[in-house]
Amino acid sequence: EVQLVESGGGLVQPGGSLRLSCAASGFSFGDYAMSWVRQAPGKGPEWVSVISGSGVSTYYADSVKGRFIISRDKFKKTLYLQMNSLRVEDTAVYYCAKCDGSYFHWYFDLWGRGTLVTVSS
Amino acid sequence: EIVLTQSPGTLSLSPGDRATLSCRASQSVTSSYLAWYQQKPGRAPRLLIYGASSRATGIPDRFSGSGSGTDFSLTISSLEPEDFVVYYCQQYGDSPLTFGGGTKVEI
Repeated sequence: EVQLVESGGGLVQPGGSLRLSCAASGFSFGDYAMSWVRQAPGKGPEWVSVISGSGVSTYYADSVKGRFIISRDKFKKTLYLQMNSLRVEDTAVYYCAKCDGSYFHWYFDLWGRGTLVTVSS
Repeated sequence: EIVLTQSPGTLSLSPGDRATLSCRASQSVTSSYLAWYQQKPGRAPRLLIYGASSRATGIPDRFSGSGSGTDFSLTISSLEPEDFVVYYCQQYGDSPLTFGGGTKVEI
C-alpha cells in the first residue's frame, strides 16, 4: 500500500526541540523529493521544507530557516524533520508529503495523516 | 512571495448544484503551476488538480480546473454530499511554495 506515516509529535515548551519521522511505503522512495507541510489550527497549509530525492539539496521556508533541519534515510525509507528553538507559532499539524512535478516546481500528490506539534509552556 | 487569495471564504450550496471556486494570485503563476486540494475534517489534504487543469489519479470528472496567469478556478459540476468540505489552491511556480486560505463549501 502506498502510504506515509508520521510520528514524533507532542507537547514541547518554547525553546525546546522535537524530531518528526515519516515512514514511506509502496513507492520508490529515493526517486522523489519529499516535503514537510504544516497546518495551524483553522488555517491553510504552509510549506515548511523540501529535500531532493538524493538528499543532497534542501530548502526551507523563511519562518523555519536556521531552526529546522530536513533529512532522509534511503535505507529506512524515512523522512525526518529536526525542529529546534521551537516557538509558540510553530504549533500545527505537520504533514509529510510526496512531491511530484519538476525540480522546485512541486505539488504534493501523497500526504500522511499528520502529527500534532504543540508548543506551549 | 506569491500570495493566493481564495474566494468566497464560504460557499453555501445544495447537492446537485454547480460550484465555482476562485483562486487569485498576487503575480502571474509560472506555466500555470497551480494545484487544488480537498480537505475533509481531521484528514490530510488530497490532490485534486495539478497544472491548473489536469485531474489527479482517481479524481471524478465532476471536478475541473481552469485559468492562467493570476486567475484560476475550480469547478464542481454537480455537488455530491461528500464534496461539502474545504478546498485549497497552491502555486508551485515560484519559491516559496504557497497555499491559499481556503474555501469552505457548505450545505
